Amino acid sequence: DVKVTQSSRYLVKRTGEKVFLECVQDMDHENMFWYRQDPGLGLRLIYFSYDVKMKEKGDIPEGYSVSREKKERFSLILESASTNQTSMYLCASSSLLRASLRYEQYFGPGTRLTVT
Amino acid sequence: AQSVTQLDSHVSVSEGTPVLLRCNYSSSYSPSLFWYVQHPNKGLQLLLKYTSAATLVKGINGFEAEFKKSETSFHLTKPSAHMSDAAEYFCGIGRTYKYIFGTGTRLKVLA
Repeated sequence: DVKVTQSSRYLVKRTGEKVFLECVQDMDHENMFWYRQDPGLGLRLIYFSYDVKMKEKGDIPEGYSVSREKKERFSLILESASTNQTSMYLCASSSLLRASLRYEQYFGPGTRLTVT
Repeated sequence: AQSVTQLDSHVSVSEGTPVLLRCNYSSSYSPSLFWYVQHPNKGLQLLLKYTSAATLVKGINGFEAEFKKSETSFHLTKPSAHMSDAAEYFCGIGRTYKYIFGTGTRLKVLA
């Protein structure tokens, strides 16, 4: 069974703290993604990575950075958390190598982050 | 440019009646289209996808969707709603690394 796991389901942090959200996939996928999900706005892409140490900005990268040192792991970093970063964060992975699965994204359960 | 519009933010149906969740898209090329479902406090699960094969796509849990290029639509249907279908549904468009999702439709199923 394919799996994407996220390090925390719920997280509460204070304004100004550095926050790490971890995502691990066990499917040997090349691509990994971080989204944030807010009511009425759907999913918005923060960053994605198509290979180890490679990253690309998504639609809303401001205030975030990412790290991908190993193929299976993709970290989202909030350098200095702010209250407007309170949200649900979803990690996903995908592969382009198998035609039957091409373009399918597999999502983790999400991390609900509250910044106070 | 690509975009996805889910025409209803909330849909209520009675158990046993048909479900219709509407999705329109805009794309400058032939897209792959998806429907995902999200149950409370869970991640997104793929229901079905269209990738330029048959225009009528069957998914899990009795859902299906029809790709209509002339109408730029990809509506999700189910003949008979079940209580367990209550969730939020997201239509998406994607290719390679770029995925765009709609803002979601929350489906309520009444007993």
